[in-house]
Amino acid sequence: DVKVTQSSRYLVKRTGEKVFLECVQDMDHENMFWYRQDPGLGLRLIYFSYDVKMKEKGDIPEGYSVSREKKERFSLILESASTNQTSMYLCASSQPRTGNTEAFFGQGTRLTVV
Amino acid sequence: EDKVVQSPLSLVVHEGDTVTLNCSYEVTNFRSLLWYKQEKKAPTFLFMLTSSGIEKKSGRLSSILDKKELFSILNITATQTGDSAVYLCAGGGLYNQGGKLIFGQGTELSVKP
Repeated sequence: DVKVTQSSRYLVKRTGEKVFLECVQDMDHENMFWYRQDPGLGLRLIYFSYDVKMKEKGDIPEGYSVSREKKERFSLILESASTNQTSMYLCASSQPRTGNTEAFFGQGTRLTVV
Repeated sequence: EDKVVQSPLSLVVHEGDTVTLNCSYEVTNFRSLLWYKQEKKAPTFLFMLTSSGIEKKSGRLSSILDKKELFSILNITATQTGDSAVYLCAGGGLYNQGGKLIFGQGTELSVKP
């Protein structure tokens, strides 16, 4: 089974802190994604990566950056956390080369910025 | 701009009812339409649809895609309280676009005993 693991289930950070959310997948998938999920808005794509050191902005990249130094790891960085970044963050991976765009999700990180 | 729109946003039914959830999409170089179920945790995969008119079925759940009208439906028959969840629809683009998925807002289904 594909496993996508996010480093924390719950995080509480202060406004202005730099925050790192880590995600690791164990199936050698090429694609990795970061979404945030807010009530009434569904999942919104922040950034995605289709190869090591490659990254593409999603729909809401402002205030975030990402890092993919190794194929299995995709990090989301909040440069200076703000209260409007309080949300559920979901990491996902997929292997579209197989013709299957199904994404596998991690368990989510609920981030609260105070 | 790519978008996926689901309706209704929320739905309350009683056990035994049949429900239909709707998903319309506009995705550049569309490749696939996916349905996920999300309880109080990460979304879990239900179906992937790539061809029009071919129903996919899993137990009491079924789904079909219309690529001409750009929509999909998810049907749940004989609903049970365990079907209560948020159902997410996502449109997937071509591999050479990174295979990214665009999600709708979700439909929150509540099944009452």
